[in-house]
Amino acid sequence: QVQLQESGPGLVKPSETLSLSCAVSGFSINSGYYWGWIRLPPGKGLEWIGNIYHSGGTFYNPSFKNRVSISLDTSKNQFSLTLTSVTAADTAVYYCARRGTYGSDTWGQGTLVTVSS
Amino acid sequence: EIVMTQSPATLSVSPGGRATLSCRASQSVSSNLAWYQHKPGQAPRLLIYGAFTRATGVPDRFSGSGSGTEFTLTISNLQSEDFAVYYCQQYDNWPPLTFGGGTKVEIK
Repeated sequence: QVQLQESGPGLVKPSETLSLSCAVSGFSINSGYYWGWIRLPPGKGLEWIGNIYHSGGTFYNPSFKNRVSISLDTSKNQFSLTLTSVTAADTAVYYCARRGTYGSDTWGQGTLVTVSS
Repeated sequence: EIVMTQSPATLSVSPGGRATLSCRASQSVSSNLAWYQHKPGQAPRLLIYGAFTRATGVPDRFSGSGSGTEFTLTISNLQSEDFAVYYCQQYDNWPPLTFGGGTKVEIK
């Protein structure tokens, strides 16, 4: 059974960098699939942040204007999200997910990140 | 960017009833459309992909239809566990992958 688990700070100061990791169990991340991040801001809908292919190619939402980076750590079987220059608008529940050709079939439980001084 | 628009924003349905959710794309996405169910505090769940194919373990009371720009998710015989927010997502033309704004199905 494939499982994903997010980890990282729950509070980040404005203008600083948000960093989250997603540990994957039950599947080797370099065996296939896209691995990515989606967020849910309070009172809003789901927003796709980006994906990284198992071979390392990355795809990002242009709305993040070069603030976002996703990377793989195959030695730890995990992948990570970095979002720079955060503001209060980046406050959200952040989900990591595995995506196949047809949709994201496995998600983490989500982690709340609050941007506040 | 393909914009996905869902309607209605909220749908009140009695248990045992039927819910019909709509999703419209700003341009054709062929059948490259997925539906997700999201309950508070839980991970979103893939329900439908390819516009009408149920994901593994999804009950047959969930059905998807449509192609091009107009899509429908129908939930028949609503159970208590079906009250949630539902999102459509296109994966035809990306990046970016885009979600609709969601439809909340609540108990009437």
